[in-house]
Amino acid sequence: AIQMTQSPSSLSASVGDRVTITCRASQGIKNDLGWYQQKPGKAPKLLIFGASTLQSGVPSRFSGSGSGTDFTLTISSLQPEDFATYYCLQDYNYPLTFGGGTKVEIK
Amino acid sequence: QLQLQESGPGLVKPSETLSLTCTVSGASISSSSYYWGWIRQPPEKGLEWIGTIFYSGTTHYNPSLKSRVTISVDTSKNQFSLKLNSMTAADTAVYYCARRRVRPEAFDYWGQGALVTVSS
Repeated sequence: AIQMTQSPSSLSASVGDRVTITCRASQGIKNDLGWYQQKPGKAPKLLIFGASTLQSGVPSRFSGSGSGTDFTLTISSLQPEDFATYYCLQDYNYPLTFGGGTKVEIK
Repeated sequence: QLQLQESGPGLVKPSETLSLTCTVSGASISSSSYYWGWIRQPPEKGLEWIGTIFYSGTTHYNPSLKSRVTISVDTSKNQFSLKLNSMTAADTAVYYCARRRVRPEAFDYWGQGALVTVSS
């Protein structure tokens, strides 16, 4: 199974900060990667698919990049509603595997 | 508007079988554009993919659970279901059902989740 390693596991940031989360795959997955946001007590929400395509309705401050084994989720200017946990998911092959998550907390 | 709703018991005894159903409204489960899947999340932990089914009945399972899991689909009721046998405390989790696009692949709609606790 492909292992997805996310870093950092948590971070503290202030409103307005630029935030970057990375996800590394244990083998090449082309651009078959999605990013999901999860708030406490809620289901995950799709933010980005295909490594860099913004899901409809998702604010443009979110962006994704990367291909192969290294991927990045960037929040250009952190907003209060962005404090949440973020997960990557590789869609390249089965079994589908998630990263361990990155919790974004208020500094 | 598409909605997915999990239903089933919130408490299961050790060694018993969990049965959950996901009812889909606002879209046909028989569409060739989507898979339907189950994902779970133990308390305070990350997400784990359990398995996925196509309307035709084609399934893919997580190897870590494959010997214990069955996912099925009932197109007449617009539902799909999860059975997980030989439950232990380690299976205590929130279980989510979700729709997965075939292309481009992604879980684009999720149910609200159902907490299942394994305890005697």
